[in-house]
Amino acid sequence: QQQVKQSPQSLIVQKGGISIINCAYENTAFDYFPWYQQFPGKGPALLIAIRPDVSEKKEGRFTISFNKSAKQFSLHIMDSQPGDSATYFCAASKVAGGSYIPTFGRGTSLIVHP
Amino acid sequence: EAQVTQNPRYLITVTGKKLTVTCSQNMNHEYMSWYRQDPGLGLRQIYYSMNVEVTDKGDVPEGYKVSRKEKRNFPLILESPSPNQTSLYFCASRVLGQGATGELFFGEGSRLTVL
Repeated sequence: QQQVKQSPQSLIVQKGGISIINCAYENTAFDYFPWYQQFPGKGPALLIAIRPDVSEKKEGRFTISFNKSAKQFSLHIMDSQPGDSATYFCAASKVAGGSYIPTFGRGTSLIVHP
Repeated sequence: EAQVTQNPRYLITVTGKKLTVTCSQNMNHEYMSWYRQDPGLGLRQIYYSMNVEVTDKGDVPEGYKVSRKEKRNFPLILESPSPNQTSLYFCASRVLGQGATGELFFGEGSRLTVL
């Protein structure tokens, strides 16, 4: 049973465009929603994360939008650059207490054309 | 430098030949975990450990063993590898309890091919 559903599986965007990746979760006990970025030949690394007490978090060109009632969150990459080409994973977990084991989405392969 | 180190990074082996992938972290993290990454399937958890001598199965534990004798090390053991274990493996760690942020720190990955 997939607890975090991620879409799309792949995404092609032109340089300067907006990339949007969506995730939906099921477990309402989750309180930590990160996005990980993975470049070829490397391990995933934390890009940005949000807690459910806010609806949006922005770090540079990267923004997480969080909709608690819909149990959905999304990653927006503004002014997408070729260097953003990577695989992106959303995840959900708890920071402390039960369910601290993160559940990952299946990943989105993003290609940004120059 | 804070890091999770995996070895070997690349390995080609044959069916049935026991192998161990080592994982070591220098951040004093309580939680360590192994994942396998396969195209279209994302990251699937194999085993995890909350602390020394405490391990538990993840989503795909069949064919794998782990041990946690020291806090910093969490080796993944394939007693009798089979071709369906050909995959990219990642070790990860994080803080639990006081000071926890939820962030997972990943190693660089170990690409295993079983012929």
